[in-house]
Amino acid sequence: DSGVTQTPKHLITATGQRVTLRCSPRSGDLSVYWYQQSLDQGLQFLIQYYNGEERAKGNILERFSAQQFPDLHSELNLSSLELGDSALYFCASSVALVPGELFFGEGSRLTVL
Amino acid sequence: QQQVKQSPQSLIVQKGGISIINCAYENTAFDYFPWYQQFPGKGPALLIAIRPDVSEKKEGRFTISFNKSAKQFSLHIMDSQPGDSATYFCAASITGGATNKLIFGTGTLLAVQP
Repeated sequence: DSGVTQTPKHLITATGQRVTLRCSPRSGDLSVYWYQQSLDQGLQFLIQYYNGEERAKGNILERFSAQQFPDLHSELNLSSLELGDSALYFCASSVALVPGELFFGEGSRLTVL
Repeated sequence: QQQVKQSPQSLIVQKGGISIINCAYENTAFDYFPWYQQFPGKGPALLIAIRPDVSEKKEGRFTISFNKSAKQFSLHIMDSQPGDSATYFCAASITGGATNKLIFGTGTLLAVQP
């Protein structure tokens, strides 16, 4: 158990809809990362937050947004969903600014029909 | 320049054999190179990591070999076991910057046959 909690584990929705994925980092970790994993793209970095502030952006679509709340949990919002958004979405946490380990949750599997 | 290229995409090894997975990078600013292991239904977990000031790091049956001049690094799994069957990702990051963003390779699906 990594200590990172993601909900929901599975989500099925229709094209055009909006969903919210939630992540609770490990106790004491200030940094949260979101990654998208698909079969052909591997693990793609989406966005990082540190202590409530956005710190880095990857290949995140404009239809996607995220935030980190004062209690350090984070939410990833996906809107105007398309079939191609079907993927595993992972949250990871770490003690940012220290080189080293990311702790990943078990992911949220999104299926867009 | 932000990419990490990983090969092979999949690998089948007999029990007791050596599994070798290779990665290459372009950005010479990368200074931290971890390998992550992912079992089905789970998130990736850190397996072993190396910095470019050493050429090799060994932890049990797992060894990272690092070639700074060639900008390549590899994971060797000695005496491979069926329990090692998983997807392996190499990664790289720039640790001196303002973030700890990890760039991952595309993954290698390893199957160790009994």
